[in-house]
Amino acid sequence: SQLAEENSWALSVHEGESVTVNCSYKTSITALQWYRQKSGKGPAQLILIRSNEREKRNGRLRATLDTSSQSSSLSITATRCEDTAVYFCATDAGSSGNKLIFGIGTLLSVKP
Amino acid sequence: AQTIHQWPVAEIKAVGSPLSLGCTIKGKSSPNLYWYWQATGGTLQQLFYSITVGQVESVVQLNLSASRPKDDQFILSTEKLLLSHSGFYLCAWSLEGGNTGQLYFGEGSKLTVL
Repeated sequence: SQLAEENSWALSVHEGESVTVNCSYKTSITALQWYRQKSGKGPAQLILIRSNEREKRNGRLRATLDTSSQSSSLSITATRCEDTAVYFCATDAGSSGNKLIFGIGTLLSVKP
Repeated sequence: AQTIHQWPVAEIKAVGSPLSLGCTIKGKSSPNLYWYWQATGGTLQQLFYSITVGQVESVVQLNLSASRPKDDQFILSTEKLLLSHSGFYLCAWSLEGGNTGQLYFGEGSKLTVL
């Protein structure tokens, strides 16, 4: 079973709108990371939020972490067409600092 | 500036043939290195990681092996390809452990096994 998973396969919004991608996980974590992968490219980290943090921002991006419900969200405001990508959450496996488990990903399409 | 280069960009190989994919990181000494595999439209599955030259830890083998012959080089290989090996192979590096540090991914190698 997956240790991290996004809650939606795909989302679609129009440019300028806001969108939220949700993620749930099943074990205690040290940190949770959000990555974006554009078609045919390697993923790029957007935000890393540690277990003792509740919110982290990076420009138009805002990540939250709720360790009691074992969930996280990534919100994007003022979306642009170039935000179109697959968004992954990723968490550690709890036992090793070098194992990172990715969720299934959420495809976000931003339309003009 | 740090750069990560993967080769080849794409390969089409026959079932049963050998494979070697490579990754080189420039501009950082002693990085942690990782191999990930991604099926088309799928998630990323960690295969191997290495924190030092000559030492590689397996996470999921999938009938593949990895080696780190130099500080800046990570090699993924197999002697006999299976159809299930098709996909996108991504190399990544980090300075901290992968769960608390930023992973920097290469552009990937697309493998098609026929």
